[in-house]
Amino acid sequence: DAGVTQSPTHLIKTRGQQVTLRCSPISGHKSVSWYQQVLGQGPQFIFQYYEKEERGRGNFPDRFSARQFPNYSSELNVNALLLGDSALYLCASSPVDTEAFFGQGTRLTVV
Amino acid sequence: QKEVEQDPGPLSVPEGAIVSLNCTYSNSAFQYFMWYRQYSRKGPELLMYTYSSGNKEDGRFTAQVDKSSKYISLFIRDSQPSDSATYLCAMNNDYKLSFGAGTTVTVRA
Repeated sequence: DAGVTQSPTHLIKTRGQQVTLRCSPISGHKSVSWYQQVLGQGPQFIFQYYEKEERGRGNFPDRFSARQFPNYSSELNVNALLLGDSALYLCASSPVDTEAFFGQGTRLTVV
Repeated sequence: QKEVEQDPGPLSVPEGAIVSLNCTYSNSAFQYFMWYRQYSRKGPELLMYTYSSGNKEDGRFTAQVDKSSKYISLFIRDSQPSDSATYLCAMNNDYKLSFGAGTTVTVRA
C-alpha cells in the first residue's frame, strides 16, 4: 500500500516568492493535515481538511493557505516567503480523528 | 507553559539497554496518545498509538499512559543501533496533534 506522498522533496525559494506543496493521502483516508517542523522542534499544526472542508487552523499568518480536492489530495500555499518559513513541511493523513500517518515531508529553504 | 513537555536529551545508551522516554502534558482533554520515530530529515513514523490509561506492548516497544498524572512513557527493550533516532510524543483531542520537542536517542554498538 502506498503511504502518504508529498512533492516536491526539496526546494529552494527566494524571499517574497510563493510556493505550493502537494500531498496525496493514504487511500481511503479523507482527512489531511499540514504541519511545519523547524529544526530541533516538534511539528506545529498548520491546517486540517476533512471532506474538502477546513476543520482547523493553527497559529499561522494568512500567508499560509490550503485546500483539499475531491480526490482528497491537498495543496499548501505560502505567499510572500520569509526566511523564517524555512522548515520541513509535513503532510499527515488520518482515517478519522485518531492516529495520523505522515509523509516524508518537503524541505523548504528560503534564501 | 507548553501543552506537551518532552526532555530533548540527547540520550546515549549501549546496545541492548532499555531506553526510557517520557512526556508530560497539561491539557486534560487529550484523548489519544502517540509515539513517533523520526530519522534525520525524514517524516515521523508512527510507532505506538493508545487511547486509554495503562500499558500497550508491541514487540520491543511498550507505551504507558497515566492520565491521572498527565504522563506518558515509551520503553524500548533490547535497543539496537537502528533505534538511533529522534522520538516524538504526540497527543490530540480532536483534529489537531500537539507534539513534544522530541528526544534524540543514540544506541552505541
